[in-house]
Amino acid sequence: KNEVEQSPQNLTAQEGEFITINCSYSVGISALHWLQQHPGGGIVSLFMLSSGKKKHGRLIATINIQEKHSSLHITASHPRDSAVYICAAPYSGGGADGLTFGKGTHLIIQP
Amino acid sequence: KAGVTQTPRYLIKTRGQQVTLSCSPISGHRSVSWYQQTPGQGLQFLFEYFSETQRNKGNFPGRFSGRQFSNSRSEMNVSTLELGDSALYLCASRLTSGGLDTQYFGPGTRLTVL
Repeated sequence: KNEVEQSPQNLTAQEGEFITINCSYSVGISALHWLQQHPGGGIVSLFMLSSGKKKHGRLIATINIQEKHSSLHITASHPRDSAVYICAAPYSGGGADGLTFGKGTHLIIQP
Repeated sequence: KAGVTQTPRYLIKTRGQQVTLSCSPISGHRSVSWYQQTPGQGLQFLFEYFSETQRNKGNFPGRFSGRQFSNSRSEMNVSTLELGDSALYLCASRLTSGGLDTQYFGPGTRLTVL
């Protein structure tokens, strides 16, 4: 089973700050997912990464397959970015799989 | 396209009862995964179905079971409910196409066991 570690667990920052959330996993994977969960439970898939870097608006995700590490960055953070951010990897490392998850990073952006 | 739907959204049961939860994936998606989310353990993988076959299973007791129908709708069943089964149960339908692999999550069913 893939083990996923995420840090930090909690992060409070001021509006406008640059945010970094880190994720590492134990088993080589085909792709890593970043998810966002707002209060109330709804989960949105932000990125699926298999190599390099992806950008969507103010969100940037990077992955280093050799080091089994990924980061999620938020530029010019805003209070509406407050949410739990979760990274997830294939349960067994393969492609035809469910996901195993990090514990999540609870992000609060203060105005 | 309509998103992933889960029914019911909220459920209250007592210990020892059984429960069936339903998930309808996005039209055209053949893969459905189920997850349990609790404050203590976070999100955990239950099982994944593809074309009516269970492809993978997480580390849960046999009280947790599931199935998928020919129209890709999926159900999960929990028998002999325990207090610790209180959780948010999420399903996700999955699309793999052109090198992309995206999971679309439903809103979840919040199960409370008394």
